[in-house]
Amino acid sequence: ILNVEQSPQSLHVQEGDSTNFTCSFPSSNFYALHWYRWETAKSPEALFVMTLNGDEKKKGRISATLNTKEGYSYLYIKGSQPEDSATYLCAFLADRGSTLGRLYFGRGTQLTVWP
Amino acid sequence: DGGITQSPKYLFRKEGQNVTLSCEQNLNHDAMYWYRQDPGQGLRLIYYSQIVNDFQKGDIAEGYSVSREKKESFPLTVTSAQKNPTAFYLCASSIGTNSLPTEAFFGQGTRLTVV
Repeated sequence: ILNVEQSPQSLHVQEGDSTNFTCSFPSSNFYALHWYRWETAKSPEALFVMTLNGDEKKKGRISATLNTKEGYSYLYIKGSQPEDSATYLCAFLADRGSTLGRLYFGRGTQLTVWP
Repeated sequence: DGGITQSPKYLFRKEGQNVTLSCEQNLNHDAMYWYRQDPGQGLRLIYYSQIVNDFQKGDIAEGYSVSREKKESFPLTVTSAQKNPTAFYLCASSIGTNSLPTEAFFGQGTRLTVV
């Protein structure tokens, strides 16, 4: 089993605050790193798929960076809004062996943005 | 609309009975996955399939069985051998590992309660 760690486990911020959280994953056999947003009573939806070391992706106020050599990715939310409240999941995809094709999920970071 | 459909949304069963959860996708995806979520825990992989008529065990396959007779369907049977079947079950699909590492798409989930 490959270990994917996310921190913090939960986060409470005020509307307008910027925030960030971390995903740590194995630095070997890297193929891709996914970020998902999972709102209550909805299905998880992909935010980013990242494949290259140094990748930086942005979608509106949300951005992510990737360091495959040291095995971490950061997700940033600028100017948090109440609608950003959700659980943010990262998932690691390995490139070889018996684990080829399966996504390893972290436990997620639960973000609550207070108005 | 393309997507993944899980049914039913809520399911109640008596202890000792087998139950089958449905997962259908019309996205023409090769890969399909079943995850389980328990309170306070992340998504844990039960089974996954990269291609029709083939599937692999995930981390918590004991007490579960699957089939992949058709590309669009990946039903999960929770057998009486599963010691703690009450949980939230999530099905997902993705294009597959022979293509770009694109994101997974998720169903709405099935909440199974065994009494």
